Amino acid sequence: DTGVSQNPRHKITKRGQNVTFRCDPISEHNRLYWYRQTLGQGPEFLTYFQNEAQLEKSRLLSDRFSAERPKGSFSTLEIQRTEQGDSAMYLCASSSPRGRYEQYFGPGTRLTVT
Amino acid sequence: GDSVTQMEGPVTLSEEAFLTINCTYTATGYPSLFWYVQYPGEGLQLLLKATKADDKGSNKGFEATYRKETTSFHLEKGSVQVSDSAVYFCALNEGIIQGAQKLVFGQGTRLTINP
Repeated sequence: DTGVSQNPRHKITKRGQNVTFRCDPISEHNRLYWYRQTLGQGPEFLTYFQNEAQLEKSRLLSDRFSAERPKGSFSTLEIQRTEQGDSAMYLCASSSPRGRYEQYFGPGTRLTVT
Repeated sequence: GDSVTQMEGPVTLSEEAFLTINCTYTATGYPSLFWYVQYPGEGLQLLLKATKADDKGSNKGFEATYRKETTSFHLEKGSVQVSDSAVYFCALNEGIIQGAQKLVFGQGTRLTINP
């Protein structure tokens, strides 16, 4: 069990560019969550998957954001036409029914939009 | 919607001092309550949890009791160490049975312990 991993750990991009982040959950965890954390704030829920199905999306997830989990394992979060307001830490977490859905977090991807 | 309010930080204490970080919540259902800790440069780690009223969660000398009557889940530790310096987040979810169990977090409290 290697824990939740996220790549890249840091991403600097220019406004208007597209970026994609990857999350690898703990193996056999069927639920995967994305959160966003801005400086000095707690994480805010963006979306979650049960297996490959995206079951809930926050109003925070604008049309420029899309998330996928094609085979029910790793997930990607893409942001199109990035804006400075997208600068944040993007956190991924996973959970399983065996663990009573306790969420385990990855180290996060820090996005800076210049 | 559901929300969590935490004690404003930063909090600075001397080693071996008593710690309390206040947390209150608003929820429509019967949430589970959590404290997460974020050490410098690391991801969020679950510190302790309580899933029903009057439950006490404990770990690494930290404790918190789920108080439904005051909608609170205050974090306490009797004698803090320098290694406890971190950011602490109180959080709730909708509970085991229903919904996504997405977590709703407070804004975090930065704790610094001086030797």
